[in-house]
Amino acid sequence: LAKTTQPISMDSYEGQEVNITCSHNNIATNDYITWYQQFPSQGPRFIIQGYKTKVTNEVASLFIPADRKSSTLSLPRVSLSDTAVYYCLVGDNFNKFYFGSGTKLNVKP
Amino acid sequence: GAVVSQHPSRVICKSGTSVKIECRSLDFQATTMFWYRQFPKQSLMLMATSNEGSKATYEQGVEKDKFLINHASLTLSTLTVTSAHPEDSSFYICSATNRDSDHEQYFGPGTRLTVT
Repeated sequence: LAKTTQPISMDSYEGQEVNITCSHNNIATNDYITWYQQFPSQGPRFIIQGYKTKVTNEVASLFIPADRKSSTLSLPRVSLSDTAVYYCLVGDNFNKFYFGSGTKLNVKP
Repeated sequence: GAVVSQHPSRVICKSGTSVKIECRSLDFQATTMFWYRQFPKQSLMLMATSNEGSKATYEQGVEKDKFLINHASLTLSTLTVTSAHPEDSSFYICSATNRDSDHEQYFGPGTRLTVT
């Protein structure tokens, strides 16, 4: 039922920029795109949300092309503490979220 | 920022007993709360949608008589696992949406249930 597709895992090194792309071909007009981070045995933590174009906050940037069928989460200069699972979700937040597999990011020293 | 709490953070119970998990929105009113279950190394699985003052809506395959959900106020939803069995051992997470503002879902820290 998940509306999104992401790579299962990615490896990176400290200090690098990491880009995680998510496909959501069937995104609806009312859907927003939201990214969450989850550490083991913790609830997901909000990273960033967008509807179209580009959104930037203090921790990440979100790039959304005009057709909105995909999005890319960009994490600048990752550190070891960024090792986590990252979930891309689409939906109106007053409706349901169906989580996909997420992307397990492994940051190496 | 909006905060969602869960209590307890972890619980161990014997097979056949019932366990109640609370989910609270601490600084906002939540029209809707969601309950998820997560098994080790797996993604979150949506169990049910809880709306204040009305019956919960359960996802396909989730037994409503086993997982009782009550959303009595705009800041509290409870999940009761009835007649728990070892296969119910899991990480239970709730989330809430803020009726007054944005499109974000706020997640609680989760509750680790172990049934022995």
